[in-house]
Amino acid sequence: GQNIDQPTEMTATEGAIVQINCTYQTSGFNGLFWYQQHAGEAPTFLSYNVLDGLEEKGRFSSFLSRSKGYSYLLLKELQMKDSASYLCAVPNTGGFKTIFGAGTRLFVKA
Amino acid sequence: NAGVTQTPKFRVLKTGQSMTLLCAQDMNHEYMYWYRQDPGMGLRLIHYSVGEGTTAKGEVPDGYNVSRLKKQNFLLGLESAAPSQTSVYFCASRRRATAGEYNEQFFGPGTRLTVL
Repeated sequence: GQNIDQPTEMTATEGAIVQINCTYQTSGFNGLFWYQQHAGEAPTFLSYNVLDGLEEKGRFSSFLSRSKGYSYLLLKELQMKDSASYLCAVPNTGGFKTIFGAGTRLFVKA
Repeated sequence: NAGVTQTPKFRVLKTGQSMTLLCAQDMNHEYMYWYRQDPGMGLRLIHYSVGEGTTAKGEVPDGYNVSRLKKQNFLLGLESAAPSQTSVYFCASRRRATAGEYNEQFFGPGTRLTVL
């Protein structure tokens, strides 16, 4: 089976750096996605990692360690607009479906 | 491009009533999905389709039916609504991936359904 764990909530200060962790268990690995979801809105794609290491995209970076079943999303220079839920997700073995974690709600305070 | 659209945006039903949620995408995507999202539980897959005329069950299919008569549309039906179906429903689509590629999903704005 597949299982994804991520913290329920985190709070950080504007201008700071925050790391949101995700651990997963899968029978076969086909990469890991991060999505951002603002309250009352649809999820939107942030990143996809399939190889180990860090991928940087502006203020956002995503890291993957396949041997540890672990990923994190790093947000730098936090802004108030980064207050949102961050969803970790992995494709299932067959590839048609994606399993989503429950999401981490990030609160950015002034 | 409008991307993925959903109608209606909000709906209140009484127990036992039926309704259909419509999802439309203009990106020519082969795969389409219906999810429900409840507090603390993340996105759960109800049904999905890998092409016109095909549908398959997801994680929580009971009480729902779907149809994909046209490639761009994916309909979700509730035959006899129950309070447990109060939720936010998201439709999503993605293009068919080449071997070894897994691409992202594009989501509609959601339908907020309350069943009294």
